[in-house]
Amino acid sequence: GAGVSQSPSNKVTEKGKDVELRCDPISGHTALYWYRQSLGQGLEFLIYFQGNSAPDKSGLPSDRFSAERTGGSVSTLTIQRTQQEDSAVYLCASSFPGLNEKLFFGSGTQLSVL
Amino acid sequence: GIQVEQSPPDLILQEGANSTLRCNFSDSVNNLQWFHQNPWGQLINLFYIPSGTKQNGRLSATTVATERYSLLYISSSQTTDSGVYFCAVVRVLTGGGNKLTFGTGTQLKVEL
Repeated sequence: GAGVSQSPSNKVTEKGKDVELRCDPISGHTALYWYRQSLGQGLEFLIYFQGNSAPDKSGLPSDRFSAERTGGSVSTLTIQRTQQEDSAVYLCASSFPGLNEKLFFGSGTQLSVL
Repeated sequence: GIQVEQSPPDLILQEGANSTLRCNFSDSVNNLQWFHQNPWGQLINLFYIPSGTKQNGRLSATTVATERYSLLYISSSQTTDSGVYFCAVVRVLTGGGNKLTFGTGTQLKVEL
């Protein structure tokens, strides 16, 4: 596609429910990143994919968070048993990898856990 | 981990004014990027600037890697410059790819 597409744009859920967030990267981009932005904060790195593998999962905040990528394209971020502190904007970015790679960000999913 | 601090946290300018935003980081990095997040949340990459100075229109950036800081200059500011400016330091991940560690940003509002 023309840009990085994320869905849904907004998600309201109840505490304890599971949610899935989707990222559709720019066609041909092999690198994919998930970031989280809490209200008034900077961006927190969650996970990086190169193709379908995730060499760096160090940013996932707990074992309730998981992510996968299939076919080297679409990625889903799953949060199980959501908590109120999970409320944030979840941003996805994709790129061609390299030292000077330019990351293209999607518009994010605003997650609200009630 | 590496710490990235930005100043000032908030800035209000009259249209046409100039400003300087600062980014300090605590360790050596492979690269540094500046981003603008517009009021709708979209992040746009402004500069790759591991060292030296770059200019793009009314914006320019300077990084002094040996002293671990970078500056973003905005000249003749316009209302469309409003938003949050983030610097992000770059370290290469094991297995390839880049990990960006973001600062907490400078919230800029440009008024008529």
